[in-house]
Formats: sequence, structure tokens, C-alpha cells
Amino acid sequence: DIQMTQSPSSLSASVGDRVTITCQASQDISNYLNWYQQKPGKAPKFLIYGASKLQTGVPSRFSGSGSGTHFTFTISSLQPEDFATYYCQQYDIFPLTFGGGTKVEI
Amino acid sequence: QVQLQESGPGPVRPSQTLSLTCTVSGASISSGDSYWSWIRQPPGKDLEWIGYISYSGNTYYTASLRSRVTISRDTSNNQFSLRLSSVSAADTAVYYCARGIPVFGVVIIAAFDIWGHGTTVIVSP
Repeated sequence: DIQMTQSPSSLSASVGDRVTITCQASQDISNYLNWYQQKPGKAPKFLIYGASKLQTGVPSRFSGSGSGTHFTFTISSLQPEDFATYYCQQYDIFPLTFGGGTKVEI
Repeated sequence: QVQLQESGPGPVRPSQTLSLTCTVSGASISSGDSYWSWIRQPPGKDLEWIGYISYSGNTYYTASLRSRVTISRDTSNNQFSLRLSSVSAADTAVYYCARGIPVFGVVIIAAFDIWGHGTTVIVSP
């Protein structure tokens, strides 16, 4: 199985900060990477596919980049509602696998 | 608006079978390009995709659970179900049902766009 490693596992930031999360794949997955947001007690929300393409309705302060084995997820200006855990997920090879998550604390 | 809701009997004893049902509203589980999935998250561990049943009734199970898992569907009630046999404490987790979809450039399941809120299953004597 492809292992997805996220860093950091948690971070503290202030409203307005630029936040960057990294996700590393154990092998080349091209750009077959998604990002999700999960708030406490809520279902995960699908944010980004294809490493950089925003799902409909996702605010433009969220962005993603990368290819191969190294990917980044950025919130350009952190908002109070962005307090959540963020997960990456690869879809290059079955089984689909997730990263361990990054908790963003305001 | 598509919504998914998990339901299940609660705690499960070791060696017994875990059974969960996901009720789907706002979409037919027989509609095209949908892969109705189960995903779980043990305490302190990563999300783990268990498998899916597709809109056409095909199934896929992750290799580590394949010998113990069955995903089935009831199209008349628009539900799909998970059965996991011979459970142990390692199967304690939050279990989510989710809709899997293709994304641009991919013709099979690639992402999970709609999730249920999850149900906690504790395996305990």
C-alpha cells in the first residue's frame, strides 16, 4: 500500500496567517491527490482533487500544489472557521490511502 | 442534497460480527459513477478505506480485511451495509459511510465527496 505522511501533525496559527501543510507519498503518485477538511464531530469535507483543483464552492484561500511524491496544502489567510484537521488521500493505486492528518489550531 | 447516515447496534463482543447500515437520501445507490464506501478510523490512527459496492453492484475490499468483510446493498431501501466478522479490539473505530466518485481524468473511484457523520463501534467483552 502507498503510505501517506503528513507534517506537521499539528500546528498553531493566528487568524490571517498563511498556513502550509505537507504530504509525502511513499512512491510516485503523479498528481492523484485529494485534500479533506474535518471539523470536530463532523464528517470530512472534500476540498481539493488532482493535487490543485478546488471542489465547487471551496473558498479560494485554500490551494494545493505538488506532484510525484511531495505535495503542499496552503491556506492563504487563516479564518476562524478553518480550525479543523486536514487529510491528504492518494488515488493512484488501490487501496486508496489517507495521511495521518494535520490539526490546525487557531 | 445527498445525505448519508450510518446506523448500527452499538457495542460488539470479540469474535462476533459487526453490522452497520448506511441509509442514503437524495441520490440512488444504483445511479451511475457512484461507489458506496466504508471507511474507518481507529482511535489515534489513520483513516482506512475498507471497500465499496458500486452503482452496478460490484464490490472491492482492501486486502487486509478481505477475508472478513462483506459489503452489500438493498436497492429497494436505498441502503448499503457492512459486515465484518470475527472482530477484535483492533476493529474498534469510528466507521464512516461515504460516496466515492471519479474525478477529472479518472474513470473509477478516486475521492469521497459525501460522508456520513460516522458511528463509533467499540469491540469489548
